[in-house]
Amino acid sequence: DSGVTQTPKHLITATGQRVTLRCSPRSGDLSVYWYQQSLDQGLQFLIQYYNGEERAKGNILERFSAQQFPDLHSELNLSSLELGDSALYFCASSVTRGTDTQYFGPGTRLTVL
Amino acid sequence: DQQVKQNSPSLSVQEGRISILNCDYTNSMFDYFLWYKKYPAEGPTFLISISSIKDKNEDGRFTVFLNKSAKHLSLHIVPSQPGDSAVYFCAASYSGTYKYIFGTGTRLKVLA
Repeated sequence: DSGVTQTPKHLITATGQRVTLRCSPRSGDLSVYWYQQSLDQGLQFLIQYYNGEERAKGNILERFSAQQFPDLHSELNLSSLELGDSALYFCASSVTRGTDTQYFGPGTRLTVL
Repeated sequence: DQQVKQNSPSLSVQEGRISILNCDYTNSMFDYFLWYKKYPAEGPTFLISISSIKDKNEDGRFTVFLNKSAKHLSLHIVPSQPGDSAVYFCAASYSGTYKYIFGTGTRLKVLA
């Protein structure tokens, strides 16, 4: 158990819909990272927050957005969903914002029908 | 542009033998490298890391080797155990950035 929690575990929705994925980092970690893993692909970095502020952006679509709240939990919002958005979404956390080891949650499996 | 490549999608090894997983990278600015292990239905778990100032780092049965001139790193598992069967991802980062670039993973199967 990494100490990072993600909800829900599974999510099935239809094209055009909007969903919110939630992540609670390890106690004491200030940075939260979101990754997407599509079938047979590596983990693609989406976005990073540090202590409530956006710090780095990766291959995140404009239809996707995220935020980190004062209690340090984070939410990833995916809107106007397409079939290709079906993937595993992982959240990771680390103590600071540098090259600290990132600890991953169990992921949310999103299926868009 | 895949900056971190794991060219072997799968590898099978007999229990007790050495497993060698390889990773190549293209960005010479990378200065920190990690290996993660992932079991089905779980998130990736940190295994071992290495800074570019070193060429080897050991942790029990796991050793990571870094060859900066070849832009290549490898993970050695000795001896391999059936519980090591998982997907292994290498990742790279460099100072001043806040993200890891992951490879596509190698599925290791250790045969009993």
